[in-house]
Amino acid sequence: SQQGEEDPQALSIQEGENATMNCSYKTSINNLQWYRQNSGRGLVHLILIRSNEREKHSGRLRVTLDTSKKSSSLLITASRAADTASYFCATLNNAGNMLTFGGGTRLMVKP
Amino acid sequence: KAGVTQTPRYLIKTRGQQVTLSCSPISGHRSVSWYQQTPGQGLQFLFEYFSETQRNKGNFPGRFSGRQFSNSRSEMNVSTLELGDSALYLCASSLGGQVTYEQYFGPGTRLTVT
Repeated sequence: SQQGEEDPQALSIQEGENATMNCSYKTSINNLQWYRQNSGRGLVHLILIRSNEREKHSGRLRVTLDTSKKSSSLLITASRAADTASYFCATLNNAGNMLTFGGGTRLMVKP
Repeated sequence: KAGVTQTPRYLIKTRGQQVTLSCSPISGHRSVSWYQQTPGQGLQFLFEYFSETQRNKGNFPGRFSGRQFSNSRSEMNVSTLELGDSALYLCASSLGGQVTYEQYFGPGTRLTVT
């Protein structure tokens, strides 16, 4: 079963707009990671936020984590057509031995 | 460094057969994890190996098995294939110790069972 639920399941925006994806999870975690997957290919790691962190930035990406609400959000600013992909959150359990993925958000950025 | 490689990339099998998939991790990575991805169930964790030992296993039947060799390369085997085993099988490697660091994924093996 999946640990995380992502919202929305699909998102369509215009190039230059910001995209926000949300992830909720059920149990306590060690860290939370975001990955991108292009059309049925392997996943690419984007960013990792530890359970004691609240916000992290990497280029056009901003991730927040609220452990009290068991939720995280990924913001992509100034989106580009090349950002079109599926985005997954993944939580690492406290034992540090299992990564569980959410259902993903399909993002389409129209040029 | 070369990335994670998986072979074969595509595979077609019939029900009842068995299949072996191979994964070569990034040099220096000692942890290898396997995932199954289907449209209905999403990405599901199969198992994780570290230093030739299975450290964790997901909720899959015993038909799914794996192993890791001394050079960290890993194989997974599915016996008595069922139609529902059709999926993209992804392997990922990470630095040793724990699965704390980011995982580096291979391109996947697309398995079709007819």
